[in-house]
Amino acid sequence: AQSVAQPEDQVNVAEGNPLTVKCTYSVSGNPYLFWYVQYPNRGLQFLLKYITGDNLVKGSYGFEAEFNKSQTSFHLKKPSALVSDSALYFCAVRENAGNNRKLIWGLGTSLAVNP
Amino acid sequence: DGGITQSPKYLFRKEGQNVTLSCEQNLNHDAMYWYRQDPGQGLRLIYYSQIVNDFQKGDIAEGYSVSREKKESFPLTVTSAQKNPTAFYLCASSGEQTPSTDTQYFGPGTRLTVL
Repeated sequence: AQSVAQPEDQVNVAEGNPLTVKCTYSVSGNPYLFWYVQYPNRGLQFLLKYITGDNLVKGSYGFEAEFNKSQTSFHLKKPSALVSDSALYFCAVRENAGNNRKLIWGLGTSLAVNP
Repeated sequence: DGGITQSPKYLFRKEGQNVTLSCEQNLNHDAMYWYRQDPGQGLRLIYYSQIVNDFQKGDIAEGYSVSREKKESFPLTVTSAQKNPTAFYLCASSGEQTPSTDTQYFGPGTRLTVL
């Protein structure tokens, strides 16, 4: 069965330090992977996606993510965290199958960046 | 959030009443989606539509209904049959030519509280 796991409910990091939000997935075939961010009482904002090609994907607000096929992971990273990065982060995956547009979502990771 | 509007932002209803949530997009996207978000449960797909006058049930369609009479609009009705309707409802749309690269973009959400 297809699934996405975000193993950490919450991540705490000091401002200026690097941050990592973890995501692992399970799909058959080649995956298409996405990261979104949600600020309180707001909709989700698209950050970045991996479709094919370079395993390191760069996205909005200085975020990047590394696709690792052998470890079935797609961790979100940022070299230097800002207090304003504090939000809820969601990983999602789409199976590469026909006309499928549905996403499978992780449960989210709450990131807290401390000043 | 740009291009997708949801109204109202907050909605209060008495138990047993049907209520309709609005979702409009001006992105010329073919596909539209409705999700429900509850604390700690991530996003769950209620209904989705890939073309006008067609829609499919998602994972938690019971107690909900939708229509897609226009490309721009995908209203969601929460009926009295929905046992626990209090939640944050998110609408999304997508419209890239290749389903594999298709990215969902979200509206700002409607918080429904049933009293």
